[in-house]
Amino acid sequence: EAQVTQNPRYLITVTGKKLTVTCSQNMNHEYMSWYRQDPGLGLRQIYYSMNVEVTDKGDVPEGYKVSRKEKRNFPLILESPSPNQTSLYFCASSSPRERKSYEQYFGPGTRLTVT
Amino acid sequence: DAKTTQPPSMDCAEGRAANLPCNHSTISGNEYVYWYRQIHSQGPQYIIHGLKNNETNEMASLIITEDRKSSTLILPHATLRDTAVYYCIVRVLPGSARQLTFGSGTQLTVLP
Repeated sequence: EAQVTQNPRYLITVTGKKLTVTCSQNMNHEYMSWYRQDPGLGLRQIYYSMNVEVTDKGDVPEGYKVSRKEKRNFPLILESPSPNQTSLYFCASSSPRERKSYEQYFGPGTRLTVT
Repeated sequence: DAKTTQPPSMDCAEGRAANLPCNHSTISGNEYVYWYRQIHSQGPQYIIHGLKNNETNEMASLIITEDRKSSTLILPHATLRDTAVYYCIVRVLPGSARQLTFGSGTQLTVLP
């Protein structure tokens, strides 16, 4: 089954404790993205990647890092989380090669709370 | 990418058609209209997209005005499971590095 998986689904952590949210897709997609969603603000893109070793900032990159060492994985790293990073995070993937290249596949979401 | 304007909320009776409007008066000639929806805290789901002709698939129909400055997403027979936030997004087809930019969307509530 074609899917995007994220782990963990829920995480409560403390300020300053480094964490990583993993994202993996099994569709051989080139494009991957991270979004955060906050009440009243909709979805905002954090980082995106067009392919392995190619990443770029989205609209709200401050406080986040990403890496794309393998095509299927796109982890989101918070080196020193702060309470304003409490949010619902989504990973997404898509491909320009597929006939339905307009369609983004989203993961189930990771709800992060930073205290 | 062109900016879109949607009403914040709408209600619809179950079994009736839900018509969700979207204004995109600054759309340019090579930009498409996409619709996604998000059911409570789940990942967004693609619904349909179009350039200038009306489109229909198994989920919905998309009506784009002749001047392309607005569009309407139609769910022909809304069910309770269609209760979700619906996002109208305008951009060129994927090929650039940037991904979709979501606004605030329309909260559609289907009433029994």
